[in-house]
Amino acid sequence: DVKVTQSSRYLVKRTGEKVFLECVQDMDHENMFWYRQDPGLGLRLIYFSYDVKMKEKGDIPEGYSVSREKKERFSLILESASTNQTSMYLCASSSTSVPEQYFGPGTRLTVT
Amino acid sequence: GNSVTQMEGPVTLSEEAFLTINCTYTATGYPSLFWYVQYPGEGLQLLLKATKADDKGSNKGFEATYRKETTSFHLEKGSVQVSDSAVYFCALLYLQGAQKLVFGQGTRLTINP
Repeated sequence: DVKVTQSSRYLVKRTGEKVFLECVQDMDHENMFWYRQDPGLGLRLIYFSYDVKMKEKGDIPEGYSVSREKKERFSLILESASTNQTSMYLCASSSTSVPEQYFGPGTRLTVT
Repeated sequence: GNSVTQMEGPVTLSEEAFLTINCTYTATGYPSLFWYVQYPGEGLQLLLKATKADDKGSNKGFEATYRKETTSFHLEKGSVQVSDSAVYFCALLYLQGAQKLVFGQGTRLTINP
């Protein structure tokens, strides 16, 4: 079974802090994604990566950056956390040959 | 552009009732379509999929048929159980760089015993 893990289930940070969310997949997938989930808005794509060191902006990249130094790991960085970034963050991965996305359990981030 | 519109929730049903959650889409070309389910406290799991017109995806008693003529992919189940209580997301897959998903807003389903 594909396993996607995220570093924390719950995280509380203060406004202005730098925040790192880590995601690891164990299926050698080329593609990795970061989404945020907000009630009534569904999932919105923040960034995605289709190869090591390759990244592209999704629909809502403002205030975020990403890093993919190794194929299995994709990090989401909030350079200076703000209260409007309080949300559930979901990581996903997929292979190019079978594009179904597999999701991690999510990190619920609260910025106070 | 690509978009997915889902039936507004929340939806509350009694056990053994018939379920329909509507999903319509707008897309260029012929995307693959998916239903994902999110149980409380968990990430999303793929429930079923269809890759071309008239395909029927099915899993765990749920079904959805890809209708090109009505651009729809409605989710149905004949007899729901309490354990089906979850949030359901309709999504379509499109190619832009990587193959990406666009999701509907989700429908929260609660089944009462």
